Amino acid sequence: DAKTTQPPSMDCAEGRAANLPCNHSTISGNEYVYWYRQIHSQGPQYIIHGLKNNETNEMASLIITEDRKSSTLILPHATLRDTAVYYCIVRVGMMGNQFYFGTGTSLTVIP
Amino acid sequence: KAGVTQTPRYLIKTRGQQVTLSCSPISGHRSVSWYQQTPGQGLQFLFEYFSETQRNKGNFPGRFSGRQFSNSRSEMNVSTLELGDSALYLCASSALAGANTEAFFGQGTRLTVV
Repeated sequence: DAKTTQPPSMDCAEGRAANLPCNHSTISGNEYVYWYRQIHSQGPQYIIHGLKNNETNEMASLIITEDRKSSTLILPHATLRDTAVYYCIVRVGMMGNQFYFGTGTSLTVIP
Repeated sequence: KAGVTQTPRYLIKTRGQQVTLSCSPISGHRSVSWYQQTPGQGLQFLFEYFSETQRNKGNFPGRFSGRQFSNSRSEMNVSTLELGDSALYLCASSALAGANTEAFFGQGTRLTVV
């Protein structure tokens, strides 16, 4: 599976946009980029996923570079409740629903 | 629509015992996968079931096993518990197979082995 690289931690001021980067330089053409977050000791929460086009939903936007070697998750107006560990995952395979989690980015939203 | 339900939420077992954890997926979802989360190893994939068949398995010893029933509910079993099996065990369900399908996680079962 393609590996991902994320900064271990980031801070963001409340109300500002949080931009979380992810590098996935070995990604293949049929591999999707997924983002999940985990608030302490809870189950991971699905945020968004995409293949090559930018995606937006009610939670966040996902920007994938044209060469697909990196992506950015954008939380447009961060709140204290967005403090969590964010995981960027490159998911392979036409069969199977397994995710291989890395170490993620610990985002702290500061009042 | 109810989410993924895992029972029990907390469990304390003694080394050498065995334990069974249960997962009820979202209604209509046919795929269930299991993960172990520890402070040292992070989130690791255990195995995945789809329509009662194990399709994928992570790198865990044979003491870890699972099954899925015809109603898609799944159980995982750990035999001969070791102290290192203490972890948060998470279950996730997906509607379909394939890489373009999001998975939804339950709140997990916190297992403590003493």
